[in-house]
Amino acid sequence: GAGVSQTPSNKVTEKGKYVELRCDPISGHTALYWYRQSLGQGPEFLIYFQGTGAADDSGLPNDRFFAVRPEGSVSTLKIQRTERGDSAVYLCASSSGGPNEQYFGPGTRLTVT
Amino acid sequence: AQKITQTQPGMFVQEKEAVTLDCTYDTSDQSYGLFWYKQPSSGEMIFLIYQGSYDEQNATEGRYSLNFQKARKSANLVISASQLGDSAMYFCAMRENQGGSEKLVFGKGTKLTVNP
Repeated sequence: GAGVSQTPSNKVTEKGKYVELRCDPISGHTALYWYRQSLGQGPEFLIYFQGTGAADDSGLPNDRFFAVRPEGSVSTLKIQRTERGDSAVYLCASSSGGPNEQYFGPGTRLTVT
Repeated sequence: AQKITQTQPGMFVQEKEAVTLDCTYDTSDQSYGLFWYKQPSSGEMIFLIYQGSYDEQNATEGRYSLNFQKARKSANLVISASQLGDSAMYFCAMRENQGGSEKLVFGKGTKLTVNP
């Protein structure tokens, strides 16, 4: 079956602009996660959805970052007033919840110039 | 405090040999899960193996096995019969089963290079 998909694969934006990153989880997966991976580092947790609600948003770095999952499937990560330090690969993952493994998408590489 | 420590930034192994990638973790939870992921140069994170904290036996998945030593808080990945396609970054991760969050905490990774 289809895996986790993310669009766009690459996004270049200017400092101060607004961006949206989209994640399509594996069909039927109730849990969805966003991570951010900077160069040479492991992924860092941003936010976790169980269904439509954000069950844990403790990883969002500040209020410029926001994510939604209005129908419990597709999720959008929104970044306002982008800064150069936001440049990273944004990874989305989904799982059927509980102890099961998380399946990752290919990521969106965000570059803020 | 760092929760996942991978002390080997890079490792080299000859094709067909076995290699061990180290991972130590820090948690006060009794219930937790440990994961290993592979990240090739293409960037996608590929799940390899999982070990639950209450699992009595070490997890195995094909050529991958997890050497779980609970008292030492280590969860090393063993890859047997290395192949050229195993060259990639390898990340150890932990999920703590507290507070209802299922987030993974990752180490900094180990870059494995398999030489022909």
